[in-house]
Amino acid sequence: GESVGLHLPTLSVQEGDNSIINCAYSNSASDYFIWYKQESGKGPQFIIDIRSNMDKRQGQRVTVLLNKTVKHLSLQIAATQPGDSAVYFCAEGPSYGKLTFGQGTILTVHP
Amino acid sequence: DAGVIQSPRHEVTEMGQEVTLRCKPISGHNSLFWYRQTMMRGLELLIYFNNNVPIDDSGMPEDRFSAKMPNASFSTLKIQPSEPRDSAVYFCASTPSGWTGELFFGEGSRLTVL
Repeated sequence: GESVGLHLPTLSVQEGDNSIINCAYSNSASDYFIWYKQESGKGPQFIIDIRSNMDKRQGQRVTVLLNKTVKHLSLQIAATQPGDSAVYFCAEGPSYGKLTFGQGTILTVHP
Repeated sequence: DAGVIQSPRHEVTEMGQEVTLRCKPISGHNSLFWYRQTMMRGLELLIYFNNNVPIDDSGMPEDRFSAKMPNASFSTLKIQPSEPRDSAVYFCASTPSGWTGELFFGEGSRLTVL
């Protein structure tokens, strides 16, 4: 889940395991939900998005699940690799592009 | 292909000085966003432009901050006068028309105000 301030949630997994990163969003009127990955010293990088009229979307090794009833978003990464180590942000927004980002979750993948 | 280009990558300045951050969006992208990232507040949207026109600047902290986009290939974010609490990483991002949620971020400008 998300937290406020200096203490980001962390997730440590072994290489090859599946990872699940969770996010609670706040605005029930949001239409777009997006996951971004940020590696150290770099800008956020788009991973996958999902619109509010869907509850699941799959990409390459990643799946995003949306539960609008409880305002919950999750990112599943299959066969996690050391290169997946990064901070993962969920973001929500209306259709015109104004995104609100969550605080982020630190994923560490151990070889 | 070149991504979003930001400069400078790092800037250290003293309180009271003017700071100008620069951004070149991806060619053909018509929306440009300025975000600020700190440990305490995370990623915050400051302002965004569509076709060079500021659409929403409600995230700009105060009058010390200003942003311009004189043409489709250049934008600036200016802080005058700067304060220590402005220390952060400032990101520029762009996106093409028919927005799908994929913002293309630059590498960021890390600002330290002493």
